[in-house]
Amino acid sequence: KQEVTQIPAALSVPEGENLVLNCSFTDSAIYNLQWFRQDPGKGLTSLLLIQSSQREQTSGRLNASLDKSSGRSTLYIAASQPGDSATYLCAVYNTDKLIFGTGTRLQVFP
Amino acid sequence: GAGVSQSPSNKVTEKGKDVELRCDPISGHTALYWYRQSLGQGLEFLIYFQGNSAPDKSGLPSDRFSAERTGGSVSTLTIQRTQQEDSAVYLCASSQTWTGEAFFGQGTRLTVV
Repeated sequence: KQEVTQIPAALSVPEGENLVLNCSFTDSAIYNLQWFRQDPGKGLTSLLLIQSSQREQTSGRLNASLDKSSGRSTLYIAASQPGDSATYLCAVYNTDKLIFGTGTRLQVFP
Repeated sequence: GAGVSQSPSNKVTEKGKDVELRCDPISGHTALYWYRQSLGQGLEFLIYFQGNSAPDKSGLPSDRFSAERTGGSVSTLTIQRTQQEDSAVYLCASSQTWTGEAFFGQGTRLTVV
């Protein structure tokens, strides 16, 4: 059974820091991996999708890497801003469903 | 439409009543998912539709829960005889293909009193 774990569970940092959020999964037979952010009381916003054949994807200040063999993905946020404050979720595609981690709650203070 | 649309955004119902939650996926998306998020918890998979294939209902928590997808587009999640433990945010997502990028709606917050 696929299990997805995210570390740390919570993170509080001053504005301007570079951050690394971690996602690990137990079954490496995944198709894709997707990173989302969720603001309080809102739905999920897609950040990046990494195909299983890819090793990384970049969008603006965000860079996500994927190492299928070791069951890990990282989300790198450069020069963090208060507007980055949210919960970050990773999800892996297994057969016919997305399986989510429990998220990292990020707070960036001015 | 521009994104995944869910209605209603909020629903308060009395215990024992039936409720219907609606999801309008992005036009042309063949895959549709329902998830549930209880307060402070992660996302729990409920059901998955892909094209004309039989849906994956493996996540439905009890036989009080059912879902259908008409014409490969709009989906309705029905909860019969609601219980207080059904209170949660119900999220719908769609993707163009079964492993494509998933896009979520804003959710329906269900409160059973």
